[in-house]
Amino acid sequence: DIVMTQSPDSLAVSLGERATITCKSSQSVLYSSNNKNYLGWYQQKPGQPPKLLIHGASTRESGVPDRFSGSGSGTEFTLTISSLQAEDVAVYYCQQYYSSPWTFGQGSKVEIK
Amino acid sequence: QVQLQESGPGLVKPSGTLSLTCAVSGGSISSNWWSWVRQSPGKGLEWMGEIYHSGSTNYNPSLKSRVTISVDMSKNQFSLRLTSVTAADTAVYYCVRHSNWFDPWGQGTLVTVSS
Repeated sequence: DIVMTQSPDSLAVSLGERATITCKSSQSVLYSSNNKNYLGWYQQKPGQPPKLLIHGASTRESGVPDRFSGSGSGTEFTLTISSLQAEDVAVYYCQQYYSSPWTFGQGSKVEIK
Repeated sequence: QVQLQESGPGLVKPSGTLSLTCAVSGGSISSNWWSWVRQSPGKGLEWMGEIYHSGSTNYNPSLKSRVTISVDMSKNQFSLRLTSVTAADTAVYYCVRHSNWFDPWGQGTLVTVSS
């Protein structure tokens, strides 16, 4: 199984400041035949299901604010919220869809400082 | 816009069988893979398994001996069956479409294993 490890487990950021979450996979999730990273980021607010934010490591889903961005390749990835808003308080998960069983990171909780 | 809705008993007895159904609306189930993901209270997300409209399945080895997923094309829905449940199976169960990434998700249903 590919193990996904996120850091930090939680972070508190002031409104308007940058929040950065890292995700590392135990093996590469870069598919060489198409040069795409099979890595997604999800946002989960209390009492709600996860919501897809980013796929392919860096492609924002339609309707997702551009303050959310994803980067990285291979085994190391980053989710950045450029200017934290109150509505961004949530738990964020990375997920690999490179090989089954599909696995998620343990989650990173973002709060307001 | 595809929407998913889970249904089934919210309480299951230990050693019993958990059964849930996911109704798909706004689109046909005859494409993509369709998965079940669960989330134990205060814990992370665990992919359980998935099914294609043809009936092909793919299960998480950690649960393979206890999980069965089936599809009903006529009702545009798919189902989860988990046997020999224990308190550790208490979780919110989500159904989700898997087309590479996982999207959209159902709202989830809480299943508690307790006598």
